[in-house]
Amino acid sequence: GAVVSQHPSWVICKSGTSVKIECRSLDFQATTMFWYRQFPKQSLMLMATSNEGSKATYEQGVEKDKFLINHASLTLSTLTVTSAHPEDSSFYICSARRGGTQETQYFGPGTRLLVL
Amino acid sequence: GESVGLHLPTLSVQEGDNSIINCAYSNSASDYFIWYKQESGKGPQFIIDIRSNMDKRQGQRVTVLLNKTVKHLSLQIAATQPGDSAVYFCAEKAGNQFYFGTGTSLTVIP
Repeated sequence: GAVVSQHPSWVICKSGTSVKIECRSLDFQATTMFWYRQFPKQSLMLMATSNEGSKATYEQGVEKDKFLINHASLTLSTLTVTSAHPEDSSFYICSARRGGTQETQYFGPGTRLLVL
Repeated sequence: GESVGLHLPTLSVQEGDNSIINCAYSNSASDYFIWYKQESGKGPQFIIDIRSNMDKRQGQRVTVLLNKTVKHLSLQIAATQPGDSAVYFCAEKAGNQFYFGTGTSLTVIP
């Protein structure tokens, strides 16, 4: 199956700092990438949809100035949590859509963020 | 407004038994479906998929059944093992969008 990586896998930061998370599709070109956050024992919450070379589309209630998304290439998307606060602590997961007739979506391993 | 995640239903099965996890979808235009497995602290892992022109698809120890009449999708796991303990959720694709189910937490009892 297709491989999607995320870096870092976990990060601890102080309140007020910014954190960048990378999402890479390792063996395919991703036409679209997605960013989710997930709280313990809850389902995935879509934050934004990212298309290469264009602005991300954010879901309602997600602050685009706080969660900056850059999709610089067909294999890389980044999510930057700016001025992080403790309530931003969560599990952030990206996924990449592989093109073709089925456009299967593959997920990264996730990044756990803890803001102190 | 702010979206809120939903808490997961649970299913417990004895090791060696078969597991059936269900998913209802709402969009009759959905033409592609995927089952994912998510272990604690990890990202979702693709298990099996099925297109809407099929009723059944089998993989290794897993079978997906699609009933378009009632918009129902199920995942059957044969001879469930402790390593199958995880959250399982379905995804449906309608148009250019994927929609994810809330998931079911499967616990395998040794």
